[in-house]
Amino acid sequence: ILNVEQSPQSLHVQEGDSTNFTCSFPSSNFYALHWYRWETAKSPEALFVMTLNGDEKKKGRISATLNTKEGYSYLYIKGSQPEDSATYLCAFSSISSGSARQLTFGSGTQLTVLP
Amino acid sequence: DAGVTQSPTHLIKTRGQQVTLRCSPKSGHDTVSWYQQALGQGPQFIFQYYEEEERQRGNFPDRFSGHQFPNYSSELNVNALLLGDSALYLCASSLSGGRQPQHFGDGTRLSIL
Repeated sequence: ILNVEQSPQSLHVQEGDSTNFTCSFPSSNFYALHWYRWETAKSPEALFVMTLNGDEKKKGRISATLNTKEGYSYLYIKGSQPEDSATYLCAFSSISSGSARQLTFGSGTQLTVLP
Repeated sequence: DAGVTQSPTHLIKTRGQQVTLRCSPKSGHDTVSWYQQALGQGPQFIFQYYEEEERQRGNFPDRFSGHQFPNYSSELNVNALLLGDSALYLCASSLSGGRQPQHFGDGTRLSIL
């Protein structure tokens, strides 16, 4: 059973603050690490798929880094806005996850940005 | 370009009944995965369909079964419903290969009384 941990569970920040959260995953047999944003009453939206150690990806004010050797990824949000309020999920797949490379999700970090 | 659509949106069933949930993938996608999301947890992988075959299955009992049609749409069937089956069921479509982002539908909220 693969264990994917996200921290913190929840976070409240003021508008304009920068913030970051962590996703920890097994450091062996790495295949891919996905990040999703899930706003209330909407469907999860793909942010990044990260595949190489040292990967850095950016989408507007959101960026992510990947360290496969130590088994963690950070998601950063610069200058948080109320519309960034959502649950941020990471999902890990390993080489041994079968032919479908099934995703194992963490429980998410719930971000609330206060105006 | 329509995204992933799921039906119905909500469903209420009683213990022992059977249910069928439906999913139409995003145009151009050939792979459909189903997830169960219980309150406070991340989505849990049920199974994935590709080329009308179940390619991989998560840790779910045989009461959970599925199907993929030639047009890539998919169904999730659950027999002999238990109270613990109450959850949000998400469908996600993608291109084949685990390094492709998955596109999710809005989910079906299933409540078992």
